[in-house]
Amino acid sequence: GESVGLHLPTLSVQEGDNSIINCAYSNSASDYFIWYKQESGKGPQFIIDIRSNMDKRQGQRVTVLLNKTVKHLSLQIAATQPGDSAVYFCAENIGGRTSYDKVIFGPGTSLSVIP
Amino acid sequence: KAGVTQTPRYLIKTRGQQVTLSCSPISGHRSVSWYQQTPGQGLQFLFEYFSETQRNKGNFPGRFSGRQFSNSRSEMNVSTLELGDSALYLCASSGHEGGKLFFGSGTQLSVL
Repeated sequence: GESVGLHLPTLSVQEGDNSIINCAYSNSASDYFIWYKQESGKGPQFIIDIRSNMDKRQGQRVTVLLNKTVKHLSLQIAATQPGDSAVYFCAENIGGRTSYDKVIFGPGTSLSVIP
Repeated sequence: KAGVTQTPRYLIKTRGQQVTLSCSPISGHRSVSWYQQTPGQGLQFLFEYFSETQRNKGNFPGRFSGRQFSNSRSEMNVSTLELGDSALYLCASSGHEGGKLFFGSGTQLSVL
């Protein structure tokens, strides 16, 4: 199957600090990027998305940054809370906005929040 | 609005058997995608259906197949099960915002 990698990076942060999760994507033609959060025993849950014509998008406590030059995405979580502990996946839709959906996921980052 | 529903939640099979997993998308969503999730390989794309047609397929052997019905419900089938097929199988649906996926809780398949 298609996958980006085998290694699951981990990040530990103190409650109240800001978290930054990084991701490298694979396809220069991808025009839509999404961050998902997966808690134990659940399917991934949408957090925030960004189109390729933007370089930054903000949500509630979360910000996504897109650097197309180096094919890099980052997710910033402000004032990290214990409930933010989960695995975070970046994903890219390589199918294209007007075409089919083929959303490919990165390997994920495990975020642990220390109370 | 009800979310994506996958059944069964857990399944235990033996090598050589076949299995069928079911997925009911969010009402109004016409695209359904399937993923295999394992600790070693992460989330891997299996296939995507739209209006009963498979539009895209990942790099899985032909033992993995799927279909979509006129009501957008989808099934995936794995024939001649192997130990390595043990995984969490996730279904996701999407609406007009292509690529924005809504996932079910998955079916945990164990092959003994």
